[in-house]
Amino acid sequence: DADVTQTPRNRITKTGKRIMLECSQTKGHDRMYWYRQDPGLGLRLIYYSFDVKDINKGEISDGYSVSRQAQAKFSLSLESAIPNQTALYFCATSPTGAPNQPQHFGDGTRLSIL
Amino acid sequence: RKEVEQDPGPFNVPEGATVAFNCTYSNSASQSFFWYRQDCRKEPKLLMSVYSSGNEDGRFTAQLNRASQYISLLIRDSKLSDSATYLCVVCPNDYKLSFGAGTTVTVRA
Repeated sequence: DADVTQTPRNRITKTGKRIMLECSQTKGHDRMYWYRQDPGLGLRLIYYSFDVKDINKGEISDGYSVSRQAQAKFSLSLESAIPNQTALYFCATSPTGAPNQPQHFGDGTRLSIL
Repeated sequence: RKEVEQDPGPFNVPEGATVAFNCTYSNSASQSFFWYRQDCRKEPKLLMSVYSSGNEDGRFTAQLNRASQYISLLIRDSKLSDSATYLCVVCPNDYKLSFGAGTTVTVRA
């Protein structure tokens, strides 16, 4: 079983719809992240959470919201999807403790907004 | 200026060849550096951390040059399975990873 699981794996939807992407992990890590990846660009951080009830904006948080329901779960919402949010979305986790730990990624969610 | 810049490639090399590429970073205070590998449409996976003294992991060698603010990755004896996009990742602070857009390597038989 994957340590970091994202659902759905693929989603096609229409402009204006509300969408939720879910992430769950069995690694026991406190830190969780949401990224998006676009062709020709590096992964860009949307939101991150260091613990339950801790939510922080990343570099491109506009148009997105998140919820950290439990240590193991971190969901990303698009309240009213728009076409330029079409991208590959990744959830990632890392442990607290020693700084600058590498992050572990889920399989990704391919999202298309028509 | 982007925080992390990479030559996108592609680097097309025959099996058995050596291929090397760099990435540059802009934040001189960065403390940690990694190379990730990403296969098409898959998640990034940690290939190796990059240490100040340089380090090897099998056929892969990573180097860090803090003075010139770049890291490098060298792959010896390339295999077909090495075909992937290699992401340079830099940590400018405790939580944030800055990703390069990736260097594509294609190893041909």
